[in-house]
Parts: sequence; structure tokens; C-alpha cells
Amino acid sequence: DGGITQSPKYLFRKEGQNVTLSCEQNLNHDAMYWYRQDPGQGLRLIYYSQIVNDFQKGDIAEGYSVSREKKESFPLTVTSAQKNPTAFYLCASSIDWAAVNQPQHFGDGTRLSIL
Amino acid sequence: AQKVTQAQTEISVVEKEDVTLDCVYETRDTTYYLFWYKQPPSGELVFLIRRNSFDEQNEISGRYSWNFQKSTSSFNFTITASQVVDSAVYFCALSEYKETSGSRLTFGEGTQLTVNP
Repeated sequence: DGGITQSPKYLFRKEGQNVTLSCEQNLNHDAMYWYRQDPGQGLRLIYYSQIVNDFQKGDIAEGYSVSREKKESFPLTVTSAQKNPTAFYLCASSIDWAAVNQPQHFGDGTRLSIL
Repeated sequence: AQKVTQAQTEISVVEKEDVTLDCVYETRDTTYYLFWYKQPPSGELVFLIRRNSFDEQNEISGRYSWNFQKSTSSFNFTITASQVVDSAVYFCALSEYKETSGSRLTFGEGTQLTVNP
């Protein structure tokens, strides 16, 4: 079955450490997205990628970095510059970055906590 | 700027009650889409329905129904005869297209629905 796989499900970060969250999709979608979810705040866009080798900052990109070397993969790195990384991170994809009528498909998420 | 407001943070009902989740949005665009997603405890957001700005027909799917009223910028979601399995966080979202950024979703804060047996 096609879908989005995020790993790991739970991740712990030590102070000063960079950590990378994995997101892989086999839906053949061009566009991919990373969201951060905090209690009571809904989902906020961190980064998005319209196509391979291209990505754009979202609303809360500071302290995060991404790459899009393959169509299927869009890893997110939470750097030590992100001072409040504890949150639930969701990866999503959609068929086409310009298709406003297409729903985004989501992974199961990664819960990141500080040790 | 676009905005989505879900004023109900938490709702608790008893099984078999009907429940309506409110969603109000703001946008300057004439062409846009509205979505509802369900987030069960497992965490994944599940797409429920999509509605475009030109289609104000209400929609029913089993126990779910949606009421879109452009005049009041609302897109409310009703669950009839609620069940324990309906317990989840429900998100309303607005999709717009911008030339510089393509299609982007703006989410509301979500409504936590708890259905008690």
C-alpha cells in the first residue's frame, strides 16, 4: 500500500545535539511538507518542497534544515539552534505543489523530546 | 492573510449524541478549498472531506455531514449518533494558491472530541 513512513516514532535529543527525522513516501508525489504540532496550536509549516532539489522555508523554519535529494525522501534536521524542539512532527505529501484542490497525505508522526 | 478558527477546544459527549464542530475561516481569495481532517490517538491525520469555494451544497457521508456557508465563512462538521471510535482531534484547514509558494494549507487549532460510552 502507498503511504508515508516516518521514523523513528519517538526521539530524544540531548542539549547541543542535532537530530534527523526521516520521511519517506511511495505515493509518487512531487510536493512534501514538514509540520510541527504543539498542544492547542494546530499544525505549523516548517519547510516544504515543491520538487526534487528544491525546498522553501515555511512559517517557523528557524532552527531546522531539510534536503530533498530524492523524490521519495524529505528528511528534517532539528539543529541545536532550535531551543524548544519538544513537539510532534508530521510529514505530508501532495500530488502537485500547485494543486490547491488536492488533500495532503500524512505520516504517523515523530514525537521529539529533550533529555 | 488566511486564518482558520476552531473556537471549540474540547467537546465531550455521550455515545449516540449528535455533535457539531465549528470552523470559521478568513481569506481574501475567491478560489479556495476547505478540508476536514481527523487525528486519532495514533497521530496520523486522516483526510475526511474537501469542499471548493464555489460549491455550497451540503454533503452527507454516513454519519458525517458538512455544512458550508460562504455568507458566514463557515464550514461546520456534524457527527450524527456519535460513537466512541469518533474520539479524536478534528482539524479544519483552508487551502489557497500563491504564485510564489504554490498550494499551502492553513490549519485551525483543532477540536478534541471525546465520546464517552
